[in-house]
Amino acid sequence: EVQLVQSGAEVKKSGESLKISCQGSGYTFTTYWIGWVRQMPGRGLEWMGIISPGDSDTRYNPSFQGQVTISADKSISTAYLQWSSLKASDTAMYYCSRGYVGTWDIWGQGTVVTVSS
Amino acid sequence: QSALTQPPSASGSPGQSVTISCTGTSSDVGGYNYVSWYQQHPGKAPKLIIYEVTKRPSGVPDRFSGSKSGNTASLTVSGLQAEDESDYYCSSYTGRLFVFGTGTKVTVL
Repeated sequence: EVQLVQSGAEVKKSGESLKISCQGSGYTFTTYWIGWVRQMPGRGLEWMGIISPGDSDTRYNPSFQGQVTISADKSISTAYLQWSSLKASDTAMYYCSRGYVGTWDIWGQGTVVTVSS
Repeated sequence: QSALTQPPSASGSPGQSVTISCTGTSSDVGGYNYVSWYQQHPGKAPKLIIYEVTKRPSGVPDRFSGSKSGNTASLTVSGLQAEDESDYYCSSYTGRLFVFGTGTKVTVL
């Protein structure tokens, strides 16, 4: 079965660092892009950025450039989203998704990040 | 890059049709045939229902259809069913990245 499995919920304080993960299985991880999407409470979906695990080509939405780092370790079929200094406004649900030719067909179950000030 | 514009809400009775618009620019919706639509039920991950403007993934009912004219894409849900009550988002390729629409809440009356 093709799936993306994300790491569990996180509760952090402002200023702390965090790295969440998204592991792919059931397909060739390097053949597809991985995208990260933010959904703040009660709000819509926002593309944060995408990465090609095969060559680490990474592209960020300008709104998130410098705020997060997207990376991947193809040896363990895992992509990451990390923050060096969390803010309360980073409280949200974060989804990873598998992409090919402009289509995002498989989604992870989501990781809830709660940041308290 | 600005979010694509969708109506906040749409509604219809069971069996009726509802159409949701997704308006962008020539740099996204109008420039590429990589418009996709996602259904998101409360507390769940988004689900792909239309890709490349008009195509349906395996398992998605043919009640869902997509189209595009100029800078506006549309999703039509025919023969509305109770389980179609959900949030719907469009997304478009922008030449290097992607952008979502503002989202539409569909209510089945």
